[in-house]
Amino acid sequence: ELKVEQNPLFLSMQEGKNYTIYCNYSTTSDRLYWYRQDPGKSLESLFVLLSNGAVKQEGRLMASLDTKARLSTLHITAAVHDLSATYFCAGGGAAGNKLTFGGGTRVLVKP
Amino acid sequence: GAVVSQHPSRVICKSGTSVKIECRSLDFQATTMFWYRQFPKQSLMLMATSNEGSKATYEQGVEKDKFLINHASLTLSTLTVTSAHPEDSSFYICSARDILTGYGYTFGSGTRLTVV
Repeated sequence: ELKVEQNPLFLSMQEGKNYTIYCNYSTTSDRLYWYRQDPGKSLESLFVLLSNGAVKQEGRLMASLDTKARLSTLHITAAVHDLSATYFCAGGGAAGNKLTFGGGTRVLVKP
Repeated sequence: GAVVSQHPSRVICKSGTSVKIECRSLDFQATTMFWYRQFPKQSLMLMATSNEGSKATYEQGVEKDKFLINHASLTLSTLTVTSAHPEDSSFYICSARDILTGYGYTFGSGTRLTVV
């Protein structure tokens, strides 16, 4: 059974600095997803990573996947307040179709 | 892009009553939908996988008689919380994937259930 672990659970960021969130998973996962959740809201899709070495970027966020290490990272460049949210990674989505979520990383960007 | 509509967004009900939550795929057909529950400051926990025209698949520890799932059409799945109790108060989220257009899962806007 796939297990997904994120760290850190909480990240206090200073505006303008760079940070990374790590997502480890226990067994082979065909794809890796990143989502953002604002307080009281549902999930917003950020990235879908499909293969080893995949890298995707959108604005200040960049996600990568290393299937050999079973590791995905979400890199935040020059953090801004608007990026304050909780970020989830999730694996799975193949034959069984269901996703398994990591515990989430709560990000707070301070001026 | 794919849109999943979930209603109601908030509901308050009395202990012992039942509540139905609807999840619709608006511009695609979803043979499979997923129901999650999220407690405050926690991650999403999959409750069940809803399959069109057949019985739902429940995750271990989820009471199928308490959380009734019906997926009667390719665009609609419903979750009914029966005989709700305060411990059922949570944020319920559905999701679906348009397999014809990509690998991404789309999530409904969620339902905040409060049982008093």
